[in-house]
Amino acid sequence: KQEVTQIPAALSVPEGENLVLNCSFTDSAIYNLQWFRQDPGKGLTSLLLIQSSQREQTSGRLNASLDKSSGRSTLYIAASQPGDSATYLCAPTGSGNTGKLIFGQGTTLQVKP
Amino acid sequence: GAVVSQHPSRVICKSGTSVKIECRSLDFQATTMFWYRQFPKQSLMLMATSNEGSKATYEQGVEKDKFLINHASLTLSTLTVTSAHPEDSSFYICSAQRYSYNEQFFGPGTRLTVL
Repeated sequence: KQEVTQIPAALSVPEGENLVLNCSFTDSAIYNLQWFRQDPGKGLTSLLLIQSSQREQTSGRLNASLDKSSGRSTLYIAASQPGDSATYLCAPTGSGNTGKLIFGQGTTLQVKP
Repeated sequence: GAVVSQHPSRVICKSGTSVKIECRSLDFQATTMFWYRQFPKQSLMLMATSNEGSKATYEQGVEKDKFLINHASLTLSTLTVTSAHPEDSSFYICSAQRYSYNEQFFGPGTRLTVL
């Protein structure tokens, strides 16, 4: 059974800092892994999708890496801004291509102006 | 592209009534849709997988007779909470998987409050 852990649970940084969010998962037989952002009371916004054959994906100030064999993914946010404040969720798929996503508890980020 | 809508965004109902939530993929066809619920300050819990034209697959512990799912077309799935009780109050979120991309796109969620 896939289990996902995100560290840290919460993070508060001043504006402009580069930061790293960590995600670990127990079952390395994943199909892909997605990183999402959730604002309070809202749905999820897909940030990056990494296929199991890929090592990293980049979108703007965001870079996500994947080390499938060790069960780890990191989300790197460059030059953080107050608008980046949200909860970030990591979700690898379960085994096989069922499409099911297994979510971690998330990292709640606060970027102070 | 890849927009998913949910309706209603918020619903308040009396205990014992049924509530239907719609999930639509607006600009793509979704062979598979997923339904999640989220309690305050917790992560998303998968309830069921909905495939177009077939019966939904429910996760362990989710009552299929209480949470009725219909995936009638490639752009619409509905979740009906039957005989709702206060413990069913939660944030319900759907997602749609774009065919052959394996990427899921989420709706904005529906806040259900059962009095």
